[in-house]
Amino acid sequence: QVQLVQSGAEVKKPGASVKVSCKASGYTFTSYGISWVRQAPGQGLEWMGWTSANNDYTNYAQSLQGRFTMTTDTSTSTAYMELRSLRSDDTAVYYCARPGMAVPGSSMDVWGQGTTVTVSS
Amino acid sequence: QSVLTQPPSVSGAPGQRVTISCTGSSSNIGAGYDVHWYQQLPGTAPKLLIYGNNNRPSGVPDRFSGSKSGTSASLAITGLQAEDEADYYCQSFDSGLSGSDVFGTGTKVTVL
Repeated sequence: QVQLVQSGAEVKKPGASVKVSCKASGYTFTSYGISWVRQAPGQGLEWMGWTSANNDYTNYAQSLQGRFTMTTDTSTSTAYMELRSLRSDDTAVYYCARPGMAVPGSSMDVWGQGTTVTVSS
Repeated sequence: QSVLTQPPSVSGAPGQRVTISCTGSSSNIGAGYDVHWYQQLPGTAPKLLIYGNNNRPSGVPDRFSGSKSGTSASLAITGLQAEDEADYYCQSFDSGLSGSDVFGTGTKVTVL
């Protein structure tokens, strides 16, 4: 079946970096992009960015530009997100999701299970 | 701070109808961008409930329906059931700030 499986929970110190993976299966990876969404404890969903499967187009949330990078590896059907200079307010569950179409504002029809990133000294 | 505003909570008795509003502006919903809705049960990933304003993915009960008018959209749940108790989020695209997807502030639905 179509699914996205993310890497495990991470605990990082302020100022460090974190890289989360998202492995796709059950569909043609290169036919869709990948979006990243995060959710701080007790808070709502925050869109972080979108990348095409071959990385030839990316769109980042302005609030994260400069600290956040999305990449993909089409040989393994895996997407990655890296967040640098971590702060305590980056503590959140990070989700990857598949946009149904390669257009801005597309719905996300498949979601990963989420990866908890905790930033604490 | 989200550009799509939802009521923090709505509630209803089993069998009743509840609606959740999603209020935007001329740079997102009012500009013609589609609105999508997600249901998030406690401790789980969001699930697509409505796409393209009023379309249900396969497997979503027809008790859920969506609509859009002007700068707002709505999600209606008819025949409310205990299993509908969850958080609900709208999503669209905003052409400001270099263009980005945006989520609503979220609404907690409580079944009394």
